[in-house]
Amino acid sequence: EVQLLESGGKLVQPGGSLTLSCAASGFMFSSYPMSWVRQAPGKGLEWVSGISDSDITSYAESAKGRFTVSRDISKSTLYLQMNSLRAEDTAVYYCAKQFLSGDRIFDSWGQGTLVTVSS
Amino acid sequence: DIQMTQSPASLSASVGDRITITCQASQDLSNSLNWYQQKPGKAPNLLIYDGSNLEPGVPSRFSGGGSGTHFTFTISGLQPEDFATYYCQQYDDVPTFGGGTKVDIK
Repeated sequence: EVQLLESGGKLVQPGGSLTLSCAASGFMFSSYPMSWVRQAPGKGLEWVSGISDSDITSYAESAKGRFTVSRDISKSTLYLQMNSLRAEDTAVYYCAKQFLSGDRIFDSWGQGTLVTVSS
Repeated sequence: DIQMTQSPASLSASVGDRITITCQASQDLSNSLNWYQQKPGKAPNLLIYDGSNLEPGVPSRFSGGGSGTHFTFTISGLQPEDFATYYCQQYDDVPTFGGGTKVDIK
């Protein structure tokens, strides 16, 4: 059974930094592309960033230059390093597993971790 | 980015009803369109991928159709557990989601 467990969300001041983690199990982590998707309180879903099975990274415009996605195959863990955080980054952040093909079809999701950016 | 216009934003229905949600894309997606269900406080759950393919384990009362720029999502025979918010998502380009449709009990 696929399991994704996010952690690291907390209250952080504007301009601050934070790193989110997503521990994966139940599948061959090294073979699957992964993404981060966020949801602001009471709002819809927004794709943030993704990493391919060959470690090619991609970002939404809102994340470019501020966020960095990475993964540690030995730990089956996905990361999202977030810098220069803004109030509008406040959201629940989900990690999501994609189809093996690389298509951005999100077939498994974690439970999410809440990031609050506020002074 | 490709804009996804989902409608209606909300609807009220009864158990046993057939409901349809639509998603309009700002450019041709071919069939690169997925549908998710999200319940309050929970992560989204993939129901339909590539426009009309049912994810394994998803009941057959859920179906998807369309291609190009116009897509539909139908629940035939609404069940109590289906009251939730539904989102479309395109992956032809940078992934974007529709605004969501909240389905509640009439």
